[in-house]
Amino acid sequence: GAGVSQSPSNKVTEKGKDVELRCDPISGHTALYWYRQSLGQGLEFLIYFQGNSAPDKSGLPSDRFSAERTGGSVSTLTIQRTQQEDSAVYLCASSPNRDSNQPQHFGDGTRLSIL
Amino acid sequence: KQEVTQIPAALSVPEGENLVLNCSFTDSAIYNLQWFRQDPGKGLTSLLLIQSSQREQTSGRLNASLDKSSGRSTLYIAASQPGDSATYLCAVRTIYGGSQGNLIFGKGTKLSVKP
Repeated sequence: GAGVSQSPSNKVTEKGKDVELRCDPISGHTALYWYRQSLGQGLEFLIYFQGNSAPDKSGLPSDRFSAERTGGSVSTLTIQRTQQEDSAVYLCASSPNRDSNQPQHFGDGTRLSIL
Repeated sequence: KQEVTQIPAALSVPEGENLVLNCSFTDSAIYNLQWFRQDPGKGLTSLLLIQSSQREQTSGRLNASLDKSSGRSTLYIAASQPGDSATYLCAVRTIYGGSQGNLIFGKGTKLSVKP
């Protein structure tokens, strides 16, 4: 597709379950970013990939959060043993490279609700 | 630590008015500043990107200014239309710190343009 694609668009799960969120970046984009948007908190950076490596994981809130990227393309964000405070919209963005003046292109996000 | 503040949090105007959205940031060591638009349930759309060496950028009815030394940016929307109703987010790309080069977002201004 032409834009960043995220799936699922909505996910409802019980506290304690594991969830996987998927991001398909724009074809050819080497830089990929995950953000979390919580009510009242704004957008927070989680992790950045350049190719398949993650040089910056500084935003991951706990060791329950992990992410990987394969083939320099698709990325998955995994949350283990989900807690209610994990409820948020998780947004993925990609850009052609790490150049600081390249705009980031965002997907529509996955809305995660933990019951 | 870089902090980004947007004022006002919400704004309602009649169609046709010119309006200004404000963004301030605490650390002037930035690569650039971006303005985004977010529609309900959607991701972010990049509107304008101002590099740290620039003073302003224009796109159609939108004009964004940047005063890096004072840590301020404004987004000017001319002749507002109901279709402009959305949340507008300001983000700076930092140079220093643990999130080097990542976007730091404000919490946004929710704009409503009444027909």
